Amino acid sequence: AQSVSQHNHHVILSEAASLELGCNYSYGGTVNLFWYVQYPGQHLQLLLKYFSGDPLVKGIKGFEAEFIKSKFSFNLRKPSVQWSDTAEYFCAVNSGSARQLTFGSGTQLTVLP
Amino acid sequence: DADVTQTPRNRITKTGKRIMLECSQTKGHDRMYWYRQDPGLGLRLIYYSFDVKDINKGEISDGYSVSRQAQAKFSLSLESAIPNQTALYFCATSDGDREVKDTQYFGPGTRLTVL
Repeated sequence: AQSVSQHNHHVILSEAASLELGCNYSYGGTVNLFWYVQYPGQHLQLLLKYFSGDPLVKGIKGFEAEFIKSKFSFNLRKPSVQWSDTAEYFCAVNSGSARQLTFGSGTQLTVLP
Repeated sequence: DADVTQTPRNRITKTGKRIMLECSQTKGHDRMYWYRQDPGLGLRLIYYSFDVKDINKGEISDGYSVSRQAQAKFSLSLESAIPNQTALYFCATSDGDREVKDTQYFGPGTRLTVL
């Protein structure tokens, strides 16, 4: 069974700081990877996704993620965060054998002005 | 995403009551999903449907049932609500293909409180 781990439950940064949120998955075969963001009081929105090809994926709002197959990781990064990036971030994975998306437990990011 | 709507947006009910949450989509997607979100647990899949005749249990289906009335409608029912079903419920849709590369699009959520 596939699983996803997000080890950072709550991250607090000041504006302009760099961000890296960790995501590790357990499945050893071909995977599709996603990052979703949930702003306060809103529904989940897709931030970026990786299916194949270039392991460095660029998403909306200046976010990017790097797929490192050897480390089973898909970490989310942003060079300089803004107050408006305050949100909860979810990593998710599905694999070739699974018909469903598995989410991590989420990381709450708080950006201080 | 306005293409996926959920009703009601908020609901307070009592233990033992039957509750139905509805989801409609105008995206033309075949696949629909119901999740619940609890603090610290992320999203967990309750049921999913890949077409009108294909309904499957997810990770936490006990205490829930679903109905796929049409391609565009997918309802979640709590036959006899209990307090630990208090959560935020999300419906999602996806276009899907045989290699399961589809991206899911979420509705605005229904906040359910069971007293």
